[in-house]
Amino acid sequence: SQELEQSPQSLIVQEGKNLTINCTSSKTLYGLYWYKQKYGEGLIFLMMLQKGGEEKSHEKITAKLDEKKQQSSLHITASQPSHAGIYLCGANNDMRFGAGTRLTVKP
Amino acid sequence: EAQVTQNPRYLITVTGKKLTVTCSQNMNHEYMSWYRQDPGLGLRQIYYSMNVEVTDKGDVPEGYKVSRKEKRNFPLILESPSPNQTSLYFCASSLYGTPDNYGYTFGSGTRLTVV
Repeated sequence: SQELEQSPQSLIVQEGKNLTINCTSSKTLYGLYWYKQKYGEGLIFLMMLQKGGEEKSHEKITAKLDEKKQQSSLHITASQPSHAGIYLCGANNDMRFGAGTRLTVKP
Repeated sequence: EAQVTQNPRYLITVTGKKLTVTCSQNMNHEYMSWYRQDPGLGLRQIYYSMNVEVTDKGDVPEGYKVSRKEKRNFPLILESPSPNQTSLYFCASSLYGTPDNYGYTFGSGTRLTVV
């Protein structure tokens, strides 16, 4: 089965700082999803990456899938308190998810 | 509005008392799935359904049942809940088994506590 590891597990940043969250797969990905979850609530779809080297942006969030399609990074520029939450990556192969990265943004 | 609706949002129950968590989607999606989310373990799939009358076990099916008698509904049944089933549960759906460019649509979650 696909194993997805996310790092870091949690992250506390000052408002305005940039940050990166990583998602590493044990197998080649057919596609990778990024979701955001506000604490105790449902998951909101952010973006999907399918091609090696693909990069997508949504507002101040950019995600990239590496050429080997085994690692993805999610980068937030100039973080804001509204970015706080849990970020999860999910594999298109079998819709398994990483354990999530809990992001706190201090004003 | 296109959505996945779960009920109830919160539930506290006692060990052994049968319960059902309902899930309904209004997008005519073929694929539906149940996940549980636990701290440090992330989302783990319980059961999924590729279409009406077709269900399969996910990674953690023990202690759960599902049914898919009609396309829009996919209830999760706990015949005899135990404290280790205390968790946050999510229902999700997509048009087909492999999510498209828009991923899965998730419900708002059901927080279940079994005492």
